Amino acid sequence: DVKVTQSSRYLVKRTGEKVFLECVQDMDHENMFWYRQDPGLGLRLIYFSYDVKMKEKGDIPEGYSVSREKKERFSLILESASTNQTSMYLCASSSIQGPWPYEQYFGPGTRLTVT
Amino acid sequence: AQKVTQAQTEISVVEKEDVTLDCVYETRDTTYYLFWYKQPPSGELVFLIRRNSFDEQNEISGRYSWNFQKSTSSFNFTITASQVVDSAVYFCALRSNQGGKLIFGQGTELSVKP
Repeated sequence: DVKVTQSSRYLVKRTGEKVFLECVQDMDHENMFWYRQDPGLGLRLIYFSYDVKMKEKGDIPEGYSVSREKKERFSLILESASTNQTSMYLCASSSIQGPWPYEQYFGPGTRLTVT
Repeated sequence: AQKVTQAQTEISVVEKEDVTLDCVYETRDTTYYLFWYKQPPSGELVFLIRRNSFDEQNEISGRYSWNFQKSTSSFNFTITASQVVDSAVYFCALRSNQGGKLIFGQGTELSVKP
């Protein structure tokens, strides 16, 4: 089974702090994604990566950066957390191969509160 | 541009009622995939179904059924004889054949009361 893990289920940070959200997948997937989920807005793509050290902006990249130094790990970075970044963050990964290429597998989510 | 609309923000039903969750999508691609996910209170997204644009057959899985109609760009989801455990947020999503980006609808929060 594909497993996508996220470093924390719940996180509380203060305004201005630098925040790292970590995501690890164990299936050698090429693609990894970070989404943000807010009530009434669904899931919105922040950043994605097609390969190590490669990244592309999604629909709402402002205030975020990412890092992918190893294939299995994709980090989301909030350089200076703000209260409007309080949200649920979901990581996903997918492979370009297999019976269902590009099928995304999701992690359990990190609920981040910025106070 | 691609877009998915779930017009129903919240639905509340009593156990054993049937309920339909609507999903309307927009895309110019001829090949695409549609998905439904369930998100229970625990937060993890649970995959329910995928459909490709060339397969308009309706599908039934237990109490769940899906109605895909390209003519109206809709992919509706019906739960028959709803149960309390069906209470969750349900998302409809669209993915083109080019690349792996998923476009999600706003989600419908279903509450099934005993």
